Amino acid sequence: DVVMTQSPLSLPVTLGQPASISCRSSQSLVHSDENTYLNWFQQRPGQSPRRLISKVSNRDSGVPDRFSGSGSGTDFTLKISRVEAEDVGVYYCMQGTHWPRAFGQGTKVEIK
Amino acid sequence: EVQVLDSGGHLVQPGGSLRLSCAPSGFTFSFYAMTWVRQAPGKGLEWVSTIAYDGSTYYADSVKGRFTISRDNSKNTLYLQLNSLRAEDTAVYYCARGYYTYDHWGQGALVTVSS
Repeated sequence: DVVMTQSPLSLPVTLGQPASISCRSSQSLVHSDENTYLNWFQQRPGQSPRRLISKVSNRDSGVPDRFSGSGSGTDFTLKISRVEAEDVGVYYCMQGTHWPRAFGQGTKVEIK
Repeated sequence: EVQVLDSGGHLVQPGGSLRLSCAPSGFTFSFYAMTWVRQAPGKGLEWVSTIAYDGSTYYADSVKGRFTISRDNSKNTLYLQLNSLRAEDTAVYYCARGYYTYDHWGQGALVTVSS
């Protein structure tokens, strides 16, 4: 099974400063159809998860452009260019290439 | 607007059974795969099961043989039958749309397994 490993697990950030979350998979996430199904989700306190990014770098409609995704193969990154108060929550990467699907452990973003 | 509505919370005894339902709207249900994801209290997200548009099903090892995912396209409803429930199945169960990725999520249904 593919294991998704996020770091750090806790990320205190100053408002207006950048933040970066790493996600590594134990196997390549390149699918036989040549797509890489690496997703990022945000879960604000008390809310359901919300997708931010699909296929490594495709930002969902309504997601602020301060969020960006990058990476390839087994190494991926979510960046927030300038953290705002509404960004507080837990961020998960998730691979949709292999069965069983797998989420990372989650990274808790909080304001310093 | 796409909406995904899960059924409400439930308290079940260990060894018991329960069926969760999910009634999405705002899109052609039969065209899409649907998925269940759960979250134990204070823990992270765990993929549980997916049913493709053609009825193919996939399960996490932790629930294989105990849980059954199904869909009724005539009723636009997704189901998860939970049997032989254990304390470690206690979680919020989310219904989500998708196969490789999950673009719309329900509000979640709390399942508590306790005597």
